[in-house]
Amino acid sequence: QKEVEQDPGPLSVPEGAIVSLNCTYSNSAFQYFMWYRQYSRKGPELLMYTYSSGNKEDGRFTAQVDKSSKYISLFIRDSQPSDSATYLCAMSAHTGTASKLTFGTGTRLQVTL
Amino acid sequence: DTEVTQTPKHLVMGMTNKKSLKCEQHMGHRAMYWYKQKAKKPPELMFVYSYEKLSINESVPSRFSPECPNSSLLNLHLHALQPEDSALYLCASSQDQGRETQYFGPGTRLLVL
Repeated sequence: QKEVEQDPGPLSVPEGAIVSLNCTYSNSAFQYFMWYRQYSRKGPELLMYTYSSGNKEDGRFTAQVDKSSKYISLFIRDSQPSDSATYLCAMSAHTGTASKLTFGTGTRLQVTL
Repeated sequence: DTEVTQTPKHLVMGMTNKKSLKCEQHMGHRAMYWYKQKAKKPPELMFVYSYEKLSINESVPSRFSPECPNSSLLNLHLHALQPEDSALYLCASSQDQGRETQYFGPGTRLLVL
């Protein structure tokens, strides 16, 4: 079993829809949670990060963490064609110098006109 | 400014060539990372430098040789690569290795013939 599970998609939605992207994880030591957006042939771009359970909002994006269920989500409101990309969840445990990110496989999102 | 720059953007090399990838950040970050990413896969960690010292080497073959000349620069020296090493090579940086918010560069797309 992978430490982080993420549905690879593709997920296709019409413009204006609310998108829900999700990851589950098995390592209860994970404390830091991030969402990256990656356009084709580009580097990942940090969208959201959070260290605690609950919701964090930034514009059209909301990151949600439920540590008790080991489940994180990214919601995109009023989705736009420019949101079409691969979304990677990433997480890590704070272990000092050995800490590193564990990524999900990424969900490919297509927002259609 | 949360920019990490990488050069070159594209690189084609033969299996007997020696080349180098370069990465630079001016955010004052003290941890820098090299990742390898194959198509439709998440980034795979290769090396971590923390305070200019090699902190993590994920059992990467010796044909990849990292170098950190100073706190702003990170190089990846390539020699005798194989076609299966063709991938997107990503550099990232974070404030220090205990801060997991990593910022990625645009990547170097490498093709080994």
